Amino acid sequence: DGGITQSPKYLFRKEGQNVTLSCEQNLNHDAMYWYRQDPGQGLRLIYYSQIVNDFQKGDIAEGYSVSREKKESFPLTVTSAQKNPTAFYLCASSLEAGEKFFGPGTRLTVL
Amino acid sequence: SQQGEEDPQALSIQEGENATMNCSYKTSINNLQWYRQNSGRGLVHLILIRSNEREKHSGRLRVTLDTSKKSSSLLITASRAADTASYFCATGLSGNTPLVFGKGTRLSVIA
Repeated sequence: DGGITQSPKYLFRKEGQNVTLSCEQNLNHDAMYWYRQDPGQGLRLIYYSQIVNDFQKGDIAEGYSVSREKKESFPLTVTSAQKNPTAFYLCASSLEAGEKFFGPGTRLTVL
Repeated sequence: SQQGEEDPQALSIQEGENATMNCSYKTSINNLQWYRQNSGRGLVHLILIRSNEREKHSGRLRVTLDTSKKSSSLLITASRAADTASYFCATGLSGNTPLVFGKGTRLSVIA
């Protein structure tokens, strides 16, 4: 059953903690993306990767970090430098200049 | 930066009526895509229209694109309660460059 998965579904972070959001795909897609969505808002790009071992910053990369060591995986770390991390995080993947496939999202809340 | 702007921000209609949502964008594009998001879920791709196309159909969906006006519209015919969701337009360039999303239209279909 092919698709893109994100875990966990809900995540709680204390002040000063780093947390890592998981994104895995078995679609054999080259490109993967991380977006942030705030309530009632559209999606803003955090980071993206078009190929293994390479990634680029998006519009709101500050306070976040990523890695792309495997084609299937693109984890996002929300660092303590991100002052307002409470949001819904969406991961997506794509094969070429076509439709993007989205995961179900992770809702991160700062306690 | 958000390129697409959907209009209206919210739309409420009766079941069976048609729903029309509009999207305007600012720069040249390779393609424009529409996505649906149910509350608290990931995005689902609906339809992609390329810059050299003017109209595209998929089931009850009809999308138009006017590159001279930098605008697109999504028409959902004979709406159903299950169409209740947020709808986003997103613009894309060639290759695996990321999509740029608008803020979305919240559609409520009342049974």
